Amino acid sequence: QKEVEQDPGPLSVPEGAIVSLNCTYSNSAFQYFMWYRQYSRKGPELLMYTYSSGNKEDGRFTAQVDKSSKYISLFIRDSQPSDSATYLCAMSGGTGRRALTFGSGTRLQVQP
Amino acid sequence: GAVVSQHPSRVICKSGTSVKIECRSLDFQATTMFWYRQFPKQSLMLMATSNEGSKATYEQGVEKDKFLINHASLTLSTLTVTSAHPEDSSFYICSALGPAGSYNEQFFGPGTRLTVL
Repeated sequence: QKEVEQDPGPLSVPEGAIVSLNCTYSNSAFQYFMWYRQYSRKGPELLMYTYSSGNKEDGRFTAQVDKSSKYISLFIRDSQPSDSATYLCAMSGGTGRRALTFGSGTRLQVQP
Repeated sequence: GAVVSQHPSRVICKSGTSVKIECRSLDFQATTMFWYRQFPKQSLMLMATSNEGSKATYEQGVEKDKFLINHASLTLSTLTVTSAHPEDSSFYICSALGPAGSYNEQFFGPGTRLTVL
């Protein structure tokens, strides 16, 4: 079993829809949770960063972490065609500054 | 925000040759950088952790003699793929831990696409 599970998609939605992206994980030591957006043939771009459980909102993006369920989510409101990309969840834990464990990524297509 | 660059963005080489990829943090000092590899439609797989002034720490299954990492300064880490073979063709991405105070945020370079003929 992978440490981080993420549905690869593709997920296709119409413009303006609310998008829900999710990851589950098995390592209870994870404390830092991130969402990255990656366009084709580009490096990942950090979207959201959350420590421990709770919600965080930034513009059209909301990140949720439920450590009790080992489940994290990213919501995108009013989705735009420019949001079409692969979304990667990533997490790390323990003490010190560590490398990230990534999900496999969900490919999102927002249809105009 | 913190910016990380990589050079070259794309390289094509013959089998058996060595290729060096540079990763630079442009506006901050990065004591720790990471090197990842990404195959098509797959996620990023950590290859090694690079700490300035010390030897890199490699993940299980990654040959340290094949993937040489040097982190000689606070803004530069290099990955050299020695005696490259077609199976080494991949997208190589580096990241740097952010400036002091950002704790565990990582900032990624744009990646280097390596094609070995």
